[in-house]
Amino acid sequence: KQEVTQIPAALSVPEGENLVLNCSFTDSAIYNLQWFRQDPGKGLTSLLLIQSSQREQTSGRLNASLDKSSGRSTLYIAASQPGDSATYLCAVRKGSTGANSKLTFGKGITLSVRP
Amino acid sequence: DAGVTQSPTHLIKTRGQHVTLRCSPISGHKSVSWYQQVLGQGPQFIFQYYEKEERGRGNFPDRFSARQFPNYSSELNVNALLLGDSALYLCASSFEWGGANYGYTFGSGTRLTVV
Repeated sequence: KQEVTQIPAALSVPEGENLVLNCSFTDSAIYNLQWFRQDPGKGLTSLLLIQSSQREQTSGRLNASLDKSSGRSTLYIAASQPGDSATYLCAVRKGSTGANSKLTFGKGITLSVRP
Repeated sequence: DAGVTQSPTHLIKTRGQHVTLRCSPISGHKSVSWYQQVLGQGPQFIFQYYEKEERGRGNFPDRFSARQFPNYSSELNVNALLLGDSALYLCASSFEWGGANYGYTFGSGTRLTVV
């Protein structure tokens, strides 16, 4: 059974700092991995999708990397801003069809960026 | 283009009642999935539908059921509500083509409170 872990559960940093959010998963046989942002009481906003054959994806100040063999992904946020304050979740997908197509989520990392 | 739309946004029900939640996917998306997110946890997979057929089911009791309509919209039904069913219910749609997945897009969710 796939398990996804995100540590620490919460993180507080001063504005302008570069930071790395970690995600680990127990089963390296994944189809893809997706990072999401969730604001309090809201739905999920997709940030980056990495296919199993890829090593990283970039969007603006965000960069996500994937190391399947070690079961790890990182989300790098450059020059953090107070508007980046939110919960960040990673989710892995095992396969392309059927029950394997579900996402397995970590519990998320709640990030607070102090002005 | 409209994103994934869910209705209602909030509702309060009494234990033992029945509830129906609705979801409209992004135009062109034929896959709809449902997730339950209790406070402080990552979303948990409930169902996936693709081309109006159930393609995956999570570890939820038979009180939970769903269906997908010819226009690809979907309903999630929960019978005999329990206090523990209180959660944010998220719908996600995705575009699938030739076995490739282009990531999930989530709606804003329905906040269900059971009293």
